[in-house]
This record gives sequence, structure tokens and C-alpha cells, in this order.
Amino acid sequence: DIVMTQSPDSLAVSLGERATINCKSSQSILYSSNNKNDLSWYQQKPGQPPKLLIYSASTRESGVPDRFSGSGSGTDFTLTISGLQAEDVAVYYCHQYYSSPQTFGQGTKVEIK
Amino acid sequence: EVQLLESGGGLVQPGGSLRLSCAASGFSFSNYAMNWVRQAPGKGLEWVSSIGVSSDNTYYADSVKGRFTISRDNSNNTLHLAMNSLRAEDTAVYYCSKDRFPGWFPSGVKNSWGQGTLVTVSS
Repeated sequence: DIVMTQSPDSLAVSLGERATINCKSSQSILYSSNNKNDLSWYQQKPGQPPKLLIYSASTRESGVPDRFSGSGSGTDFTLTISGLQAEDVAVYYCHQYYSSPQTFGQGTKVEIK
Repeated sequence: EVQLLESGGGLVQPGGSLRLSCAASGFSFSNYAMNWVRQAPGKGLEWVSSIGVSSDNTYYADSVKGRFTISRDNSNNTLHLAMNSLRAEDTAVYYCSKDRFPGWFPSGVKNSWGQGTLVTVSS
């Protein structure tokens, strides 16, 4: 199984500042036939289901604010929130769908400092 | 608007069975692969199972293989998860989710989720 490891487990960021979450996969999740990474990012607020933010490592889902961006390739990925807003307080998960079983990172809790 | 409404959760004894359902609306159900993802209380997300547009293509996590069966009824826009031989570690909120892209096989990207149904396995 591909293990997804996120860092940090939690972080506190001031409003308007940048939040950076890292995700590392135990093996490459770059799909060579289309040069796309099979990685997505989800946001989960308390009491709510997850919400898709990013897929293919860097493609923002429709309707997601452009302060959310994804980057990285191969085994190392980053979710950046540029200009943290109060409504961004949540747990964020990376997710690989390169191979079965699909696996998620353990989650990163983002709070306001 | 896409809507996914799970039902069928509840309290069951270890070794028991439950059948979860997910009623889908707002999209062409028969054109999309579907998924179940669970979340134990206070824990992270765990993929459970996926099904392609045809019930011939099903996929399971090792932790549920042989005990859970995913199925779909395209005529009634409903997804199911039959759960047998339930264990305490199956206790979780079970989410139904829709694939992002239409297609025969699951893409892995899930862009719509239900609110979930709680399954509690305890004596």
C-alpha cells in the first residue's frame, strides 16, 4: 500500500498569512502515460463531509477560491493557502488514487493564531 | 444540484449485518462511478469501496474484502453497501461519494459527498 504522510499534524496561522501543508507518498504517484500525479486534496470542517479542493496535484476544483493551490510531483506535494481566512479553519487531507487501495494522509489541522 | 443521501446506519452487535443505501439525485447516476469512504470517531478518512458504472467493476479495501459488498441500482439511482461480520473497528461514519468524472471505471477523484451515516458496532 502507498503510505501518505502529511506534515505538520497541525498548524496555527494568522489571518491573511500563508499556510503550507506538505504531503509525501511512499512511492511515486506520477502516472507516466499522461504525466499527471494522482493526488487530491480535501478540506473537512467539523461536522461536515470532505470537500474536494484540488485534483491531479494542482488542478483547482470548480468554485474553490484561488487562494488554494497545489503543487509538487512524484512523491512530494504541497497545499498552500495564500491569505488564510477564518472560514479556512479545517482539517486538510491529501489522497492518492494512483493505486488500490486508495489511501489518505492522516490529516493536518489548520487553526487561526 | 447533486444530492447524496445515506441511510441504513445504526447500532449493531459484533458479527451482525447492516445494509447502507445512498440515494443520488441531480446528476446522471448511471454515468458515474461511486464510492464509500468511512471515518472512525475522531479519526481520518479511510477508503472502503468503489464501483464502476457497471456492477462488474468493484474494488475493496483489504480491511473489508470478503465481508462488505458494494452494489448499485442504476434504475433507481441508488448505491448500496452490504456489511456482514461487522467488527468494532468498523464503527465509523460512512460517506457515499460521487466520482468527479463520468466514465466506466472509478477515477479516484470524489467531488460530491453525502452527509454520512453512523455505524456503531458494539455489544
